[in-house]
Amino acid sequence: DQQVKQNSPSLSVQEGRISILNCDYTNSMFDYFLWYKKYPAEGPTFLISISSIKDKNEDGRFTVFLNKSAKHLSLHIVPSQPGDSAVYFCAVYSNYKLTFGKGTLLTVNP
Amino acid sequence: GAGVSQSPRYKVAKRGQDVALRCDPISGHVSLFWYQQALGQGPEFLTYFQNEAQLDKSGLPSDRFFAERPEGSVSTLKIQRTQQEDSAVYLCASSLIQGANTEAFFGQGTRLTVV
Repeated sequence: DQQVKQNSPSLSVQEGRISILNCDYTNSMFDYFLWYKKYPAEGPTFLISISSIKDKNEDGRFTVFLNKSAKHLSLHIVPSQPGDSAVYFCAVYSNYKLTFGKGTLLTVNP
Repeated sequence: GAGVSQSPRYKVAKRGQDVALRCDPISGHVSLFWYQQALGQGPEFLTYFQNEAQLDKSGLPSDRFFAERPEGSVSTLKIQRTQQEDSAVYLCASSLIQGANTEAFFGQGTRLTVV
């Protein structure tokens, strides 16, 4: 039973436009959420996080939104750049470990 | 080194062979994690060490999988009698403090292919 779901395996956007990646979770007790970015043949790297006491966290071009009632979070990238092309994983932190979604492959076309 | 180092980067094993995967965490990092990432999936938790103590091994898929961190730094993940379903990328992560949050750094992984 997947606790973290990323229902879009892939997303393609034009350079300069907004990329929106979505993630749903099942357990309303989860209270810390993260996004990781992964390039081929590399390990995941931390991108941005959000605590359940907030509904938005921003870091440069990256913003994460949390909707606790819907158990949904999203990552917005504005403007998207070709270097953003990677697999993005949503994760929840619980009991000192991370539980990841399956990931969304983002392709930003020049 | 500056980051988490894993070796080998690639390993091909014949079914039934034993393998050992090594992780060198960032110096001084207390916590160490192993994850398994199958093709098209997200990383899945295998086990967690705090220093040399293995506090959680609930994610290890079978008793063929064994992990150790005897001196609280380098860790080895051993898989005995490998099977085709063990084919995956094995990721190691370390963090300075207890638990894995934003301070968890991942290595590049070891891609294991069992033939």
